[in-house]
Amino acid sequence: GQNIDQPTEMTATEGAIVQINCTYQTSGFNGLFWYQQHAGEAPTFLSYNVLDGLEEKGRFSSFLSRSKGYSYLLLKELQMKDSASYLCAVRGNSNSGYALNFGKGTSLLVTP
Amino acid sequence: DAGVIQSPRHEVTEMGQEVTLRCKPISGHDYLFWYRQTMMRGLELLIYFNNNVPIDDSGMPEDRFSAKMPNASFSTLKIQPSEPRDSAVYFCASSETGPDTQYFGPGTRLTVL
Repeated sequence: GQNIDQPTEMTATEGAIVQINCTYQTSGFNGLFWYQQHAGEAPTFLSYNVLDGLEEKGRFSSFLSRSKGYSYLLLKELQMKDSASYLCAVRGNSNSGYALNFGKGTSLLVTP
Repeated sequence: DAGVIQSPRHEVTEMGQEVTLRCKPISGHDYLFWYRQTMMRGLELLIYFNNNVPIDDSGMPEDRFSAKMPNASFSTLKIQPSEPRDSAVYFCASSETGPDTQYFGPGTRLTVL
């Protein structure tokens, strides 16, 4: 099985930097995904890590440490439109069929 | 380039009625996933298909739920009979191969009265 934990809510100020943490315990690991979900909309893909280290994509970066079962999503130069839920998801290996197991999401509120 | 298409977008029904949700994956994607999202439980995988074949249905809550994929461009999720606790947003997602990124449809918001 898999357990994925992330904070329920976070608040940050426009223009600031925020880090959303995710810890996981899994019997098989084949990558960690971050998705963004605005209220009433579908999750959209943000980033993917399968090896340790930092992946940077514009204002968003994602870090993975497999030995620690830990990832974070870093959002820089926050904008009001970044207010959304951020979902951490772990993908199993081929034995578990590549299914994604999602955390419950972190609701981020960006304030002026 | 069309994304994943789901219908209907909203469904309101009464307890005991049959509900059918529909999904058209992105063309060329071999994997199709059905998820359910609630406030209490978050986003949960119900079932997924590879090349139209169901691979893992361990997430299907009970026998009232069934899913089919008669061809590469169409899948259905059926609930019969529906119950109020089935109220949720149901998402369909597809990926080109198993390890690839999953792309989600807009979801169907189901309300069972």
